[in-house]
Amino acid sequence: ETGVTQTPRHLVMGMTNKKSLKCEQHLGHNAMYWYKQSAKKPLELMFVYSLEERVENNSVPSRFSPECPNSSHLFLHLHTLQPEDSALYLCASSQGRMQGRTEAFFGQGTRLTVV
Amino acid sequence: AQTVTQSQPEMSVQEAETVTLSCTYDTSESDYYLFWYKQPPSRQMILVIRQEAYKQQNATENRFSVNFQKAAKSFSLKISDSQLGDAAMYFCAYDRGGSQGNLIFGKGTKLSVKP
Repeated sequence: ETGVTQTPRHLVMGMTNKKSLKCEQHLGHNAMYWYKQSAKKPLELMFVYSLEERVENNSVPSRFSPECPNSSHLFLHLHTLQPEDSALYLCASSQGRMQGRTEAFFGQGTRLTVV
Repeated sequence: AQTVTQSQPEMSVQEAETVTLSCTYDTSESDYYLFWYKQPPSRQMILVIRQEAYKQQNATENRFSVNFQKAAKSFSLKISDSQLGDAAMYFCAYDRGGSQGNLIFGKGTKLSVKP
């Protein structure tokens, strides 16, 4: 248990569905991240939130919509996804460089399958 | 752009033996952080070891140590006295800086441990 919890663990959705992934961190961190992990590809950073403000968006398609209502919670809203969006989606949090520590703590991920 | 390269897709080691996983990276920065993460079949990404680029001394954590060669941009991980529980995917990661930690990952090395 690393203090970062993701739900659901598994999700199967159709291309016309709307669903949301949830991430919660209990570590008092001030930055949260969404990563996409596809087979045979490096982990791809999707979004970064610092103190509830989005500070990075790595050219992610608009069918992925993040939301960070507070420093402990992060959502990824999904709509009209494509089969190639099937992947493991990992949430992470960190204390941030300002505090001198940058390592990220990860959740267990949501395995998403788009059919 | 910063990149992280892990040239060994798979490695194997005998239990109780030592194995070294390779990682090279490309950056024009002088101050940065490097990490090794472990991802077992449970999918949880776990931090193994962390190295600050300004520190010349190689980081160690129990059976895990790194060989950090800043000029060569090399950051290898040595696992001593390998145990069955060490079997996992190992990812090398680079913190590309900014006000928050933004990790760039290599493609990973799958480590098998033979009893």
